Amino acid sequence: GQNIDQPTEMTATEGAIVQINCTYQTSGFNGLFWYQQHAGEAPTFLSYNVLDGLEEKGRFSSFLSRSKGYSYLLLKELQMKDSASYLCAVRASGGSYIPTFGRGTSLIVHP
Amino acid sequence: DSGVTQTPKHLITATGQRVTLRCSPRSGDLSVYWYQQSLDQGLQFLIQYYNGEERAKGNILERFSAQQFPDLHSELNLSSLELGDSALYFCASSVASSARTDTQYFGPGTRLTVL
Repeated sequence: GQNIDQPTEMTATEGAIVQINCTYQTSGFNGLFWYQQHAGEAPTFLSYNVLDGLEEKGRFSSFLSRSKGYSYLLLKELQMKDSASYLCAVRASGGSYIPTFGRGTSLIVHP
Repeated sequence: DSGVTQTPKHLITATGQRVTLRCSPRSGDLSVYWYQQSLDQGLQFLIQYYNGEERAKGNILERFSAQQFPDLHSELNLSSLELGDSALYFCASSVASSARTDTQYFGPGTRLTVL
């Protein structure tokens, strides 16, 4: 099976930088996703990492270390609209390739 | 807007009843996935269909069933509803069945309330 760990809640200030961590244990690894989900809305795709290193996409970056079973999502120049839940999802190798989602980290951005 | 549509947006019903949730995937996507999200459980995978055939099953109860039609839309049927079935139900779609880089795109969800 898979085990995915994220902090339950984080708070940060508008304009600041925040790092949301995700650790995972899986039998075989085939990629890690980050999704953003506003309350009551659909998860929206942010990033996909399958190789080690940093992927940058505007204000959001995602990092992966396969040997450590670790990823983080970095949000820069925080805006109030970034207040949302951030879901880490891991895809194991073999089988159906369906990712398993973590419980999510609720980020609250305050002025 | 992901391009995935779901109806209805909200559904309120009583225990013991049966409901049907509908999903249309993005144009060109052959795979449809159903998820349940409740406050205490997070996003739980229920079932996947690919081009009309069941491809993978997750934590789906026997009271629940799904199908994918020739036009690729999918329906999730929930029967003998219990209070604990109250949740957000999401449909997601992707291009392929099991490609390594396949990404799921989620619909807006159906909020089911069982009274």
